[in-house]
Amino acid sequence: GAVVSQHPSRVICKSGTSVKIECRSLDFQATTMFWYRQFPKQSLMLMATSNEGSKATYEQGVEKDKFLINHASLTLSTLTVTSAHPEDSSFYICSGPDGYTFGSGTRLTVV
Amino acid sequence: GQQVMQIPQYQHVQEGEDFTTYCNSSTTLSNIQWYKQRPGGHPVFLIQLVKSGEVKKQKRLTFQFGEAKKNSSLHITATQTTDVGTYFCAGYRGAQKLVFGQGTRLTINP
Repeated sequence: GAVVSQHPSRVICKSGTSVKIECRSLDFQATTMFWYRQFPKQSLMLMATSNEGSKATYEQGVEKDKFLINHASLTLSTLTVTSAHPEDSSFYICSGPDGYTFGSGTRLTVV
Repeated sequence: GQQVMQIPQYQHVQEGEDFTTYCNSSTTLSNIQWYKQRPGGHPVFLIQLVKSGEVKKQKRLTFQFGEAKKNSSLHITATQTTDVGTYFCAGYRGAQKLVFGQGTRLTINP
């Protein structure tokens, strides 16, 4: 079945720094991938749709300048949290276009 | 916009008891998907229901899709400690965009 690899699994960064999260489709090509955010004990909320070769589509309320998404190839999508603050601490998860396959998630802690 | 409501938020049972979580949508769903997320893990796809009134079983898990395609349920018979986790339903909003329910967190007393 389809496999999505996400790295890193955990990251701790200082406030004000940027963090890049990678999501790779290992055995399929994806023109679209999805990025979710999950706060503790809450549901998954769609942040944005990354589109290969074009701009990402952001959900309402998500700051596109803060959460930079790049989908430069058919197998790699990246999410960069810029100028991270403690309130950005969350679990970030990517998924393939089918909605069945999720990355293992990245737990971001901003201190 | 489309909302997917899920109840209960939490459920604690004794091992061996049954468990059910319910999902309701404000709009008709083309299909509904169920996921399980273990503590500290990522969502794992369990099943997709497409047809009105559909019932599917996976061992001790029974999934139902309502006749009006607005509600769904997941029932686990005789829970085991391995069933611990949060169960989410999700429906599509537009093309490919999933809307998740709030999830039901299941804990089990062995």
